[in-house]
Amino acid sequence: DTGVSQDPRHKITKRGQNVTFRCDPISEHNRLYWYRQTLGQGPEFLTYFQNEAQLEKSRLLSDRFSAERPKGSFSTLEIQRTEQGDSAMYLCASSLKDRGSNAYGYTFGSGTRLTVV
Amino acid sequence: KNQVEQSPQSLIILEGKNCTLQCNYTVSPFSNLRWYKQDTGRGPVSLTIMTFSENTKSNGRYTATLDADTKQSSLHITASQLSDSASYICVVSALNYGQNFVFGPGTRLSVLP
Repeated sequence: DTGVSQDPRHKITKRGQNVTFRCDPISEHNRLYWYRQTLGQGPEFLTYFQNEAQLEKSRLLSDRFSAERPKGSFSTLEIQRTEQGDSAMYLCASSLKDRGSNAYGYTFGSGTRLTVV
Repeated sequence: KNQVEQSPQSLIILEGKNCTLQCNYTVSPFSNLRWYKQDTGRGPVSLTIMTFSENTKSNGRYTATLDADTKQSSLHITASQLSDSASYICVVSALNYGQNFVFGPGTRLSVLP
């Protein structure tokens, strides 16, 4: 296992188009997180899954954004009708959560850089 | 409100010099604090993680400290190298807080030859 993988690394799209990103977490991790990061800022939380259940969504996740993790393994993040303001780095992370509140092995992927023109 | 603040916002130092980055947080109840290094265009990479009972942890030339009473942490970089140029992000985890992690805005470090 080589860590958290994200695909594609870079995506350039025209305004109004739909885009989909994929994240493959570390195989034994049950939690998967999506973040958005703009230049010079820290990552902003979008949503996270525990197994296949989407447990929390940020108010940043507008109706144009949807995330899925259908089998509790990989996840997809789709942005519909992209806008220039969607241009950012989209980061995925995964962790293993125990029965308490501890999250182990929290690891980021390399991110997908989206540019909307 | 759970928040993490970092200072300075940016820092420029000469190669070989030491520097210290600061992180203040109001996250409660506290679980752990992590420092990440993020190279431009890459995902963050973990440097250190500290729990409530730990007040210092080292990873090579990186040494993190934690004062849980004052809710402050620092990351000290010794004998800086050009490859240390990156953003350094402080992330605090709260117990029983949804997705758990509160991110600081990062400190942008530039190491010049």
